[in-house]
Amino acid sequence: EAQVTQNPRYLITVTGKKLTVTCSQNMNHEYMSWYRQDPGLGLRQIYYSMNVEVTDKGDVPEGYKVSRKEKRNFPLILESPSPNQTSLYFCASSRGRDSSRAETQYFGPGTRLLVL
Amino acid sequence: DAKTTQPNSMESNEEEPVHLPCNHSTISGTDYIHWYRQLPSQGPEYVIHGLTSNVNNRMASLAIAEDRKSSTLILHRATLRDAAVYYCILRDWSDSGNTPLVFGKGTRLSVIA
Repeated sequence: EAQVTQNPRYLITVTGKKLTVTCSQNMNHEYMSWYRQDPGLGLRQIYYSMNVEVTDKGDVPEGYKVSRKEKRNFPLILESPSPNQTSLYFCASSRGRDSSRAETQYFGPGTRLLVL
Repeated sequence: DAKTTQPNSMESNEEEPVHLPCNHSTISGTDYIHWYRQLPSQGPEYVIHGLTSNVNNRMASLAIAEDRKSSTLILHRATLRDAAVYYCILRDWSDSGNTPLVFGKGTRLSVIA
């Protein structure tokens, strides 16, 4: 089944304790992206990646890191989480960049993070 | 990005058709119209997209006004599983190839059994 998976689905942590949220897709997609969703603020892009070893900042990258060493995986790293990073996080992927305005994005199930 | 306007909420009876409107009066000639939905406690899910012509797929139909200033998502027979927030989004070409999805408030659809 074509899908985007994320782990963990739920996470409670404390301020400053490094964490990684994994994202994996099995559709051989070139483009991957991380979003956060907060009440009243909608979906905001954190980072995106056009292909292996190609990553760039989205609208709200502060406090986050990403890597794209393999095509299928795009982990989100919070080196020193803070309470304002408490949010619902979604990973998404799509086939490629050239027709991005017409491409479908496939989303993972989400990771709900609480930073105390 | 061009802006879209949707009603905050709508209600439908099960097995009846649902027409979800979206206004996008400032749409550009190259904007694609996309619809996504988000079921409770799930990630957003693609529904349909189009540019100028009406589109049909297994989930829904998309009717686009001739002047492209509005569109309507049509669910032909609403089921309880269709209860979700529906987002109408415009996506244009980007030199960087990155066109992130920007969700507004969307329309919360309730389906009554």
